[in-house]
Formats: sequence, structure tokens, C-alpha cells
Amino acid sequence: DAKTTQPPSMDCAEGRAANLPCNHSTISGNEYVYWYRQIHSQGPQYIIHGLKNNETNEMASLIITEDRKSSTLILPHATLRDTAVYYCIVRVLNTNAGKSTFGDGTTLTVKP
Amino acid sequence: GAGVSQTPSNKVTEKGKYVELRCDPISGHTALYWYRQSLGQGPEFLIYFQGTGAADDSGLPNDRFFAVRPEGSVSTLKIQRTERGDSAVYLCASANGPTVEQFFGPGTRLTVL
Repeated sequence: DAKTTQPPSMDCAEGRAANLPCNHSTISGNEYVYWYRQIHSQGPQYIIHGLKNNETNEMASLIITEDRKSSTLILPHATLRDTAVYYCIVRVLNTNAGKSTFGDGTTLTVKP
Repeated sequence: GAGVSQTPSNKVTEKGKYVELRCDPISGHTALYWYRQSLGQGPEFLIYFQGTGAADDSGLPNDRFFAVRPEGSVSTLKIQRTERGDSAVYLCASANGPTVEQFFGPGTRLTVL
């Protein structure tokens, strides 16, 4: 799986949009971009994933650049409960390659 | 419905002892994963089951680590002759196939004294 690079930490004001960047310059054509987050003392939680089109769900939006070498996770109105470590992962999708390779993620701190 | 559960939530053992960590996946999920997470780091892949068989065990650090899933549901991670370096949170995740989102359990915190 391709390697990802994320800033180690970010701050965001409550109610503002949080934009979390991720670089995955070695991504291959069959790899999806996934985002998970991990709140303190809990297991990681799936947020969103995409291949090349922008995606949106009830939690967040995912913007993938046209060359697919980077992406941005957007939390449109951050709350204090969004404080967590956010992981960007790229995964090959076939029946025998299910593992996810996590980096150290970005620690997002939402401040009142 | 119930999520992924892991037992025990905490396990303290002495160096050299044997431990078993249990994972109950979401009912019907065919894929099951074990990860290990050290403080301040992201989860590190250990092993992946598709059904009863280990489809990828490339993350197991050495032969002291072994995992089984005999009936394609519950899985047990077994660690022999534990070492202080094995101390970590052991996470289990399940998925309805290998290509979709993984649902993680709360983890088992293993401390080897």
C-alpha cells in the first residue's frame, strides 16, 4: 500500500470548518483513499472513502485532487467532540489485500 | 446491533507468560483483522482473516504470535512467552468483506511487567 503523509497536529475553532490534508503521491490506480478517526481510548472509526471523485456523507467531505496525489478531509462545522486523531490511508482493493496501513495521523484539537 | 467486542479490556501479565485475547466480530462479517497500537502511534497491522483462513499474516512480528478463527466468527490472538515490548493496545476489526469499511472494537490493553 502507498504511504501517506499528514501533519502531526492541527487546531480548529469550534463551529469552523476543519480541513485536514493528506499527501499520497505514490498512490496507484487501484487504491482508494480512506479516512478514519480515533477518539481517545476508543478504536478507530470509519469516516469516508473515495477513489477519484469527491465524496460527501453525514460526517464529512473528501476532496481528492485530479492527479490523486493528495486529498483533504473537511469537517464542515467542527465541534469539541471532533477532537481526535485522524488517519488517512490508501488501500488496494482486492479479495486478498484487506489490511490497512496506518501512519501516525493528525491530532485535531477543536477549541471553544 | 452489537459492534465488535473484545475481551478482556485490560490484561496485566508477567514476562514469559502466555496470553489469549478474544475478538467477537459483528455477526455475519467475513473479514476480521488484528492490529497492535503503541502509545502515540497509529495501529499496526498484524493479521487478516477471510472466513476461517488467515489471508495475510505478514504483520505478525515473530512466531510467538498466533491467531485463530476456527469457525469463521470469533477470533483469538495468542501470544507466547510475552515480553515487555509486547505491551500495547490490541485492536480487532471486522468487515463485511475485505474491501469495505472496517469496524473496530475498543481494544485490549496488554501490559507485560
